[in-house]
Amino acid sequence: GIQVEQSPPDLILQEGANSTLRCNFSDSVNNLQWFHQNPWGQLINLFYIPSGTKQNGRLSATTVATERYSLLYISSSQTTDSGVYFCSNQFYFGTGTSLTVIP
Amino acid sequence: DAEITQSPRHKITETGRQVTLACHQTWNHNNMFWYRQDLGHGLRLIHYSYGVHDTNKGEVSDGYSVSRSNTEDLPLTLESAASSQTSVYFCASSEVPGPGTEAFFGQGTRLTVV
Repeated sequence: GIQVEQSPPDLILQEGANSTLRCNFSDSVNNLQWFHQNPWGQLINLFYIPSGTKQNGRLSATTVATERYSLLYISSSQTTDSGVYFCSNQFYFGTGTSLTVIP
Repeated sequence: DAEITQSPRHKITETGRQVTLACHQTWNHNNMFWYRQDLGHGLRLIHYSYGVHDTNKGEVSDGYSVSRSNTEDLPLTLESAASSQTSVYFCASSEVPGPGTEAFFGQGTRLTVV
């Protein structure tokens, strides 16, 4: 199957800081998505982004399909951004980036 | 509002028992998925379905089965529960891949096999 690597595995930020999360796939993928799992375990879809760039408020994502990677940008982080961020093609998930935002 | 719901939210069962976890969506999505989430493994795909009467095995399908008799429901059955199947189970649904397609997840079911 496809290998999905996410980096960094853990990230601690001061509130207001910016961050970039990366997702690498071992093979070409369709249906690339980013999810946020909040501290209560709920999984929320952030972006469906098979290619190109999308923005939603303080979050944006870029996928370069030809190079098999995607980036998630979080700007002006808030404590509510804490949780685990996953990328996926619906069949394979990365092991996630655990983000903690400190007030 | 359309939604996807799982039941029960928590269940404790004994080794060897048959267990069925329910997943119901009102999005009218064709695609439905079951995953398990374990520490150190992220989410792993168990089974998926692209429509009524269609089912497919995922990465970790051994010991699990699904059936799709209508669009709204994809129940997951553990034929003979084992301690290794203690996990958090998530159901998801999505429409046929295309612009704007996104997956929606249920709240999860925490299953403990003792």
